[in-house]
Amino acid sequence: DVKVTQSSRYLVKRTGEKVFLECVQDMDHENMFWYRQDPGLGLRLIYFSYDVKMKEKGDIPEGYSVSREKKERFSLILESASTNQTSMYLCASSPNTRGNQPQHFGDGTRLSIL
Amino acid sequence: DAKTTQPTSMDCAEGRAANLPCNHSTISGNEYVYWYRQIHSQGPQYIIHGLKNNETNEMASLIITEDRKSSTLILPHATLRDTAVYYCIVRGNSGNTPLVFGKGTRLSVIA
Repeated sequence: DVKVTQSSRYLVKRTGEKVFLECVQDMDHENMFWYRQDPGLGLRLIYFSYDVKMKEKGDIPEGYSVSREKKERFSLILESASTNQTSMYLCASSPNTRGNQPQHFGDGTRLSIL
Repeated sequence: DAKTTQPTSMDCAEGRAANLPCNHSTISGNEYVYWYRQIHSQGPQYIIHGLKNNETNEMASLIITEDRKSSTLILPHATLRDTAVYYCIVRGNSGNTPLVFGKGTRLSVIA
């Protein structure tokens, strides 16, 4: 089974802190994704990466950056956390084959910015 | 924006089949239909996907109409643990295409 592991289920940080959310997958997938999920807004794509050191902006990249130094690990960075970044953050991965391979998700990190 | 339309909520009696509809009238020829579900406080779980043929796995069956403009996810014997939000998603055939989630259908399985 595909395993996507997010480092923390719950995290509480303060406004202005630099926050790191880590995601690791064990299936040698090329593609990795970061989404956030908010009530009434659904899942929204922040960034994704299709290879080591490669990244693409999603729909809401402002206030975030990412790092992919190794194939199995994709980090989401909140440069200076703000209260409007309180959310559930979800990481996903998928192989780089055409069409018929699904994305698999971790269990999410519920981040609170105080 | 999501390219699918689903009912907001549905109820199903435990042990009965749950049939969840989805409209995707603007689907193009190389796009797949994916189904995920999300149980409270967990990440989305992949269920099944298909292009134009009906598909079945250990979790569910997917029925796609011949014109591909709609589909139905069938959970053959719903249990209380199947209570979740179910998302129908249309996705292109490139592996790095992100998923676009709509609001989904909240399925409540009732004892």
